[in-house]
Amino acid sequence: GDSVTQTEGQVALSEEDFLTIHCNYSASGYPALFWYVQYPGEGPQFLFRASRDKEKGSSRGFEATYDKGTTSFHLRKASVQESDSAVYYCALGETNAYKVIFGKGTHLHVLP
Amino acid sequence: GGIITQTPKFLIGQEGQKLTLKCQQNFNHDTMYWYRQDSGKGLRLIYYSITENDLQKGDLSEGYDASREKKSSFSLTVTSAQKNEMAVFLCASSLAGTSAETLYFGSGTRLTVL
Repeated sequence: GDSVTQTEGQVALSEEDFLTIHCNYSASGYPALFWYVQYPGEGPQFLFRASRDKEKGSSRGFEATYDKGTTSFHLRKASVQESDSAVYYCALGETNAYKVIFGKGTHLHVLP
Repeated sequence: GGIITQTPKFLIGQEGQKLTLKCQQNFNHDTMYWYRQDSGKGLRLIYYSITENDLQKGDLSEGYDASREKKSSFSLTVTSAQKNEMAVFLCASSLAGTSAETLYFGSGTRLTVL
């Protein structure tokens, strides 16, 4: 079946560092790809999505580009802030279906 | 805007007990989901419902039942709670259509089984 792999379980950075969180997927067709962010005590919140090859999604300084060739949707931010500390989930919407599959999440800690 | 309300926020049960979690949404969304969140395992899909009275099994449906009697509500039942089980159960909804739609989540029900 379809799957999402996030390589990093935890990432620790200092403020103004560059962020990359890796996301790779396995699926047929052109699934929609998402990033969600979860703060303590809350449910995940939609960050952005991309639906076709080479499409870039972005929000709040975060961005990711849909790459069908490498089956990747890596999350990047040029300069992180302490307030970006949260858990980030990569997700996939199955093609022509209703199921949305999430990765295991990456816990980002940004130190002041 | 809308909101998803999950009740209760905290649920403590005994081994073998049947436990019910409730979810209400006022987005007027057609599709609703139940996910289980465990530390280090991400979100795993238990059940989803495309419309009222529809139920579809996810990857983790064994040990759970679900009910969608109204468009605005979606319940999940743990049929027999497992000792020392701890997890957060998240309800979500999305507009009708496909899995390309944004999911809107509640803040979760935290389950502890003694």
